[in-house]
Amino acid sequence: NAGVTQTPKFRILKIGQSMTLQCAQDMNHNYMYWYRQDPGMGLKLIYYSVGAGITDKGEVPNGYNVSRSTTEDFPLRLELAAPSQTSVYFCASSYFGGQDQPQHFGDGTRLSIL
Amino acid sequence: QQPVQSPQAVILREGEDAVINCSSSKALYSVHWYRQKHGEAPVFLMILLKGGEQKGHEKISASFNEKKQQSSLYLTASQLSYSGTYFCGTHTGNQFYFGTGTSLTVIP
Repeated sequence: NAGVTQTPKFRILKIGQSMTLQCAQDMNHNYMYWYRQDPGMGLKLIYYSVGAGITDKGEVPNGYNVSRSTTEDFPLRLELAAPSQTSVYFCASSYFGGQDQPQHFGDGTRLSIL
Repeated sequence: QQPVQSPQAVILREGEDAVINCSSSKALYSVHWYRQKHGEAPVFLMILLKGGEQKGHEKISASFNEKKQQSSLYLTASQLSYSGTYFCGTHTGNQFYFGTGTSLTVIP
Protein backbone atom coordinates (compact mmCIF):
# COMPACT_ATOMS: atom_id res chain seq x y z
CA ASN A 1 0.00 0.00 0.00
CA ALA A 2 1.78 3.13 -1.22
CA GLY A 3 -0.76 5.65 0.12
CA VAL A 4 0.42 9.21 -0.57
CA THR A 5 3.77 9.52 -2.35
CA GLN A 6 5.69 12.79 -2.54
CA THR A 7 8.76 13.50 -4.65
CA PRO A 8 11.41 14.73 -4.23
CA LYS A 9 12.12 14.25 -0.51
CA PHE A 10 14.72 17.02 -0.42
CA ARG A 11 15.55 19.89 -2.73
CA ILE A 12 17.68 23.01 -2.67
CA LEU A 13 16.70 25.83 -5.02
CA LYS A 14 18.28 29.14 -5.85
CA ILE A 15 16.24 32.31 -5.53
CA GLY A 16 14.18 32.85 -8.66
CA GLN A 17 14.20 29.23 -9.80
CA SER A 18 11.01 27.27 -10.33
CA MET A 19 10.09 23.71 -9.51
CA THR A 20 7.20 21.31 -9.19
CA LEU A 21 6.57 19.18 -6.12
CA GLN A 22 4.87 15.95 -7.03
CA CYS A 23 2.12 14.24 -5.06
CA ALA A 24 0.32 11.02 -5.99
CA GLN A 25 -2.16 8.89 -4.10
CA ASP A 26 -3.45 5.41 -4.90
CA MET A 27 -6.44 5.31 -2.54
CA ASN A 28 -8.94 6.80 -4.98
CA HIS A 29 -9.43 9.76 -2.67
CA ASN A 30 -11.35 12.73 -4.02
CA TYR A 31 -9.88 15.42 -1.80
CA MET A 32 -6.24 16.39 -1.85
CA TYR A 33 -4.38 19.10 0.07
CA TRP A 34 -1.05 20.88 0.09
CA TYR A 35 0.33 22.22 3.36
CA ARG A 36 3.51 23.96 4.34
CA GLN A 37 5.12 23.69 7.75
CA ASP A 38 7.77 26.18 8.79
CA PRO A 39 10.29 25.12 11.47
CA GLY A 40 8.64 24.73 14.87
CA MET A 41 5.26 25.80 13.54
CA GLY A 42 1.97 24.25 12.59
CA LEU A 43 0.69 23.34 9.14
CA LYS A 44 -0.86 25.93 6.86
CA LEU A 45 -3.10 25.04 3.92
CA ILE A 46 -1.78 26.26 0.57
CA TYR A 47 -4.24 24.79 -1.92
CA TYR A 48 -6.77 22.02 -1.99
CA SER A 49 -8.74 20.07 -4.58
CA VAL A 50 -12.12 18.39 -4.28
CA GLY A 51 -11.71 16.34 -7.44
CA ALA A 52 -10.10 16.24 -10.87
CA GLY A 53 -10.26 19.65 -12.52
CA ILE A 54 -11.32 21.48 -9.34
CA THR A 55 -8.88 23.39 -7.14
CA ASP A 56 -9.13 26.26 -4.70
CA LYS A 57 -6.93 28.47 -2.57
CA GLY A 58 -6.18 27.79 1.03
CA GLU A 59 -4.81 30.09 3.68
CA VAL A 60 -1.38 30.82 2.13
CA PRO A 61 -1.59 30.44 -1.68
CA ASN A 62 0.66 33.31 -2.81
CA GLY A 63 3.66 32.16 -4.84
CA TYR A 64 2.18 28.74 -5.65
CA ASN A 65 0.02 27.14 -8.29
CA VAL A 66 -1.64 23.74 -8.55
CA SER A 67 -3.44 21.60 -11.07
CA ARG A 68 -5.47 18.41 -10.79
CA SER A 69 -5.86 16.68 -14.12
CA THR A 70 -6.38 13.20 -12.61
CA THR A 71 -7.76 11.84 -9.35
CA GLU A 72 -4.34 10.45 -8.44
CA ASP A 73 -2.01 13.43 -8.97
CA PHE A 74 -1.89 16.88 -7.41
CA PRO A 75 1.37 18.71 -8.25
CA LEU A 76 2.37 21.98 -6.57
CA ARG A 77 4.27 24.51 -8.64
CA LEU A 78 6.60 27.15 -7.20
CA GLU A 79 7.33 30.02 -9.55
CA LEU A 80 10.20 32.41 -8.78
CA ALA A 81 11.29 30.75 -5.55
CA ALA A 82 11.90 33.07 -2.58
CA PRO A 83 13.68 32.41 0.76
CA SER A 84 10.30 32.75 2.53
CA GLN A 85 9.22 29.54 0.78
CA THR A 86 11.84 27.51 2.62
CA SER A 87 9.68 24.98 4.43
CA VAL A 88 8.53 21.38 4.61
CA TYR A 89 5.69 20.69 2.22
CA PHE A 90 3.14 17.98 2.95
CA CYS A 91 0.55 16.58 0.61
CA ALA A 92 -2.51 14.86 2.05
CA SER A 93 -5.64 13.16 0.78
CA SER A 94 -8.99 12.16 2.18
CA TYR A 95 -12.01 10.22 1.02
CA PHE A 96 -14.76 12.58 -0.13
CA GLY A 97 -13.22 15.31 2.05
CA GLY A 98 -16.09 15.21 4.46
CA GLN A 99 -15.60 16.55 7.90
CA ASP A 100 -15.63 13.01 9.27
CA GLN A 101 -12.82 11.73 7.05
CA PRO A 102 -9.19 11.52 8.22
CA GLN A 103 -6.40 12.94 6.10
CA HIS A 104 -3.54 10.69 5.01
CA PHE A 105 -0.19 12.40 4.63
CA GLY A 106 2.82 11.86 2.45
CA ASP A 107 6.31 11.90 3.97
CA GLY A 108 6.93 15.51 2.94
CA THR A 109 9.34 17.45 0.75
CA ARG A 110 12.01 19.47 2.53
CA LEU A 111 12.72 22.53 0.43
CA SER A 112 15.44 25.13 0.98
CA ILE A 113 15.68 28.31 -1.05
CA LEU A 114 19.13 29.91 -1.00
CA GLN B 1 -9.46 30.86 11.95
CA GLN B 2 -6.65 28.80 13.46
CA PRO B 3 -7.70 26.84 16.56
CA VAL B 4 -5.70 27.64 19.68
CA GLN B 5 -4.23 24.82 21.74
CA SER B 6 -3.10 24.72 25.34
CA PRO B 7 -0.70 24.04 26.83
CA GLN B 8 2.01 24.84 24.27
CA ALA B 9 4.29 22.24 25.79
CA VAL B 10 4.16 19.60 28.49
CA ILE B 11 6.68 17.16 29.96
CA LEU B 12 5.45 13.97 31.58
CA ARG B 13 6.97 10.96 33.25
CA GLU B 14 5.93 7.56 31.97
CA GLY B 15 2.59 6.55 33.40
CA GLU B 16 1.34 10.08 34.01
CA ASP B 17 -1.74 11.56 32.36
CA ALA B 18 -2.10 14.64 30.18
CA VAL B 19 -4.89 16.76 28.76
CA ILE B 20 -4.53 18.87 25.62
CA ASN B 21 -7.14 21.49 24.86
CA CYS B 22 -8.26 22.95 21.54
CA SER B 23 -10.48 26.03 21.18
CA SER B 24 -11.99 27.57 18.08
CA SER B 25 -13.61 30.94 17.44
CA LYS B 26 -15.78 29.30 14.77
CA ALA B 27 -18.68 26.91 15.16
CA LEU B 28 -17.46 23.34 14.87
CA TYR B 29 -18.97 20.34 13.17
CA SER B 30 -15.99 18.12 13.85
CA VAL B 31 -12.54 18.14 15.40
CA HIS B 32 -9.60 16.11 14.15
CA TRP B 33 -6.55 15.14 16.21
CA TYR B 34 -3.14 14.28 14.74
CA ARG B 35 0.25 13.47 16.23
CA GLN B 36 3.51 14.40 14.55
CA LYS B 37 6.85 13.00 15.60
CA HIS B 38 9.98 15.00 14.88
CA GLY B 39 10.92 14.86 11.21
CA GLU B 40 7.84 12.87 10.24
CA ALA B 41 4.41 13.52 8.77
CA PRO B 42 1.32 14.00 10.92
CA VAL B 43 -0.55 10.80 11.73
CA PHE B 44 -4.29 10.65 12.27
CA LEU B 45 -5.47 9.84 15.78
CA MET B 46 -9.13 10.63 16.09
CA ILE B 47 -12.12 12.52 14.77
CA LEU B 48 -14.89 13.79 16.99
CA LEU B 49 -18.20 14.64 15.40
CA LYS B 50 -21.10 16.78 16.43
CA GLY B 51 -23.46 14.56 18.30
CA GLY B 52 -20.72 12.70 20.11
CA GLU B 53 -19.58 10.13 17.58
CA GLN B 54 -15.88 9.31 17.72
CA LYS B 55 -13.64 7.66 15.20
CA GLY B 56 -10.10 6.68 15.89
CA HIS B 57 -7.58 5.51 18.37
CA GLU B 58 -8.42 2.97 21.05
CA LYS B 59 -5.87 4.08 23.64
CA ILE B 60 -6.53 7.80 23.42
CA SER B 61 -9.80 9.45 24.27
CA ALA B 62 -11.23 12.86 23.60
CA SER B 63 -14.20 15.03 24.23
CA PHE B 64 -16.00 17.61 22.11
CA ASN B 65 -18.07 20.44 23.56
CA GLU B 66 -19.92 21.91 20.59
CA LYS B 67 -21.45 24.80 22.53
CA LYS B 68 -18.09 25.95 23.86
CA GLN B 69 -16.38 25.16 20.52
CA GLN B 70 -13.74 23.20 22.38
CA SER B 71 -12.20 19.77 22.30
CA SER B 72 -9.86 18.02 24.72
CA LEU B 73 -7.54 15.08 24.10
CA TYR B 74 -6.85 12.77 27.03
CA LEU B 75 -3.69 10.71 27.16
CA THR B 76 -3.69 8.31 30.06
CA ALA B 77 -0.82 6.23 31.44
CA SER B 78 1.54 7.88 29.00
CA GLN B 79 4.21 5.85 27.23
CA LEU B 80 7.49 6.99 25.69
CA SER B 81 5.90 6.49 22.28
CA TYR B 82 3.35 9.24 23.03
CA SER B 83 6.05 11.89 22.63
CA GLY B 84 5.49 14.25 19.74
CA THR B 85 3.52 17.33 18.76
CA TYR B 86 -0.25 17.07 18.87
CA PHE B 87 -2.42 19.11 16.55
CA CYS B 88 -6.12 19.56 16.49
CA GLY B 89 -7.75 20.59 13.24
CA THR B 90 -11.10 21.85 12.06
CA HIS B 91 -12.93 22.46 8.79
CA THR B 92 -14.42 25.75 7.71
CA GLY B 93 -16.20 24.79 4.52
CA ASN B 94 -13.66 22.82 2.50
CA GLN B 95 -10.69 24.54 4.11
CA PHE B 96 -8.87 22.82 6.95
CA TYR B 97 -7.10 24.65 9.76
CA PHE B 98 -4.59 23.00 12.04
CA GLY B 99 -4.24 24.20 15.60
CA THR B 100 -1.20 25.88 17.11
CA GLY B 101 0.19 22.56 18.37
CA THR B 102 1.17 21.07 21.74
CA SER B 103 4.58 19.54 22.22
CA LEU B 104 4.42 16.53 24.53
CA THR B 105 7.56 14.89 25.88
CA VAL B 106 7.40 11.70 27.91
CA ILE B 107 10.50 10.88 29.95
CA PRO B 108 11.40 7.63 31.73
